[in-house]
Amino acid sequence: AQTVTQSQPEMSVQEAETVTLSCTYDTSESDYYLFWYKQPPSRQMILVIRQEAYKQQNATENRFSVNFQKAAKSFSLKISDSQLGDAAMYFCAYSKRFGGGGSEKLVFGKGTKLTVNP
Amino acid sequence: GAVVSQHPSRVICKSGTSVKIECRSLDFQATTMFWYRQFPKKSLMLMATSNEGSKATYEQGVEKDKFLINHASLTLSTLTVTSAHPEDSSFYICSASRAGAGNEQFFGPGTRLTVL
Repeated sequence: AQTVTQSQPEMSVQEAETVTLSCTYDTSESDYYLFWYKQPPSRQMILVIRQEAYKQQNATENRFSVNFQKAAKSFSLKISDSQLGDAAMYFCAYSKRFGGGGSEKLVFGKGTKLTVNP
Repeated sequence: GAVVSQHPSRVICKSGTSVKIECRSLDFQATTMFWYRQFPKKSLMLMATSNEGSKATYEQGVEKDKFLINHASLTLSTLTVTSAHPEDSSFYICSASRAGAGNEQFFGPGTRLTVL
């Protein structure tokens, strides 16, 4: 079974600084997706970034970027120029690719609570 | 685009009653819908996966007769908590996926259920 591990229950960063959240996963699949979702205090889950395993290039979305190391099964999230609004729970998630027109389930890590200090 | 709504956002009920939670994809047809339960300060726990017109697939340990899922159309899924008890109190979240979105799930805002 696939598993996702987030080893940092809590992290903190100063406003405008950079922080990296760690995530490792275990799978025997070769084709899959990896995600970082953010859950602010409102509890609305928001997609931060997505990576397709077959793409070697690391995904980026404005201040958010990932370091995807497929061989090491590592998928860390880097947040640059941290803002107060980045404070949230961050969940790393895995999904194997599904070709049947539907969608495979997400396997979530336990989450990392990010605090941004002014 | 890709907005998912849930109703109600909060519900309080008496022990022994049933509660229905609706999940709707507002601007797309959902190929698959998912139901999660989240305990305070914990991760999301998948309860079941449902596809329109077919029976839901429940995760191990989730009682099918307790948590009834109906996926009547490509835009609506419902979760009914039957004979609710205080231990069923939790935050329930639905999500939906659509074709061509690379397995991304679009999440509803969640429903807080309190059983007295």
